[in-house]
Amino acid sequence: DTGVSQDPRHKITKRGQNVTFRCDPISEHNRLYWYRQTLGQGPEFLTYFQNEAQLEKSRLLSDRFSAERPKGSFSTLEIQRTEQGDSAMYLCASSPEGGNIQYFGAGTRLSVL
Amino acid sequence: QKEVEQNSGPLSVPEGAIASLNCTYSDRGSQSFFWYRQYSGKSPELIMFIYSNGDKEDGRFTAQLNKASQYVSLLIRDSQPSDSATYLCAVMDSGGSNYKLTFGKGTLLTVNP
Repeated sequence: DTGVSQDPRHKITKRGQNVTFRCDPISEHNRLYWYRQTLGQGPEFLTYFQNEAQLEKSRLLSDRFSAERPKGSFSTLEIQRTEQGDSAMYLCASSPEGGNIQYFGAGTRLSVL
Repeated sequence: QKEVEQNSGPLSVPEGAIASLNCTYSDRGSQSFFWYRQYSGKSPELIMFIYSNGDKEDGRFTAQLNKASQYVSLLIRDSQPSDSATYLCAVMDSGGSNYKLTFGKGTLLTVNP
């Protein structure tokens, strides 16, 4: 059990560029979540996968955001045409079937210049 | 809009004292409650979870839940400087089947040597 892994840990990009983040959940965890956290705030839910199915998307997830989990294992979160307001920590979490505990990865810190 | 409220602090206690962290939530149907610790620049780490009314103890930590008052608290006994962090209260969504967490903004705890 190596924990939830996120890559990259830090990303600096210019406004208007596209970025993609990867999350590898804990092995055999079929539930995967993306959250976003800005300074001084708690994490905010973005989207949730059960296996490969994306079951819920927050209204925070504008049409510039897309998430996938094609084989029910790792997931990617893409942000197109980044804006300065997208600067945040993007956190991935996973939990097992039948379990309520979500385990968080180290996060990807995005800075949009 | 489901809300989780925490006093943002900072809460400052001397080493060895009891730190008391409080949280209220708006969704009366919520069933699962979590306390996460987050060091500056790091990801949330689960400290305690509680599902039933009453107290739950784990080492120096005690979680208390009062569903009638929609109130959750975390007590840290014999506080140590290493406990200095932001403590996030999280409530699991009671509706649907997405298991998402709604977080408070967190309470910054400082334990002074």
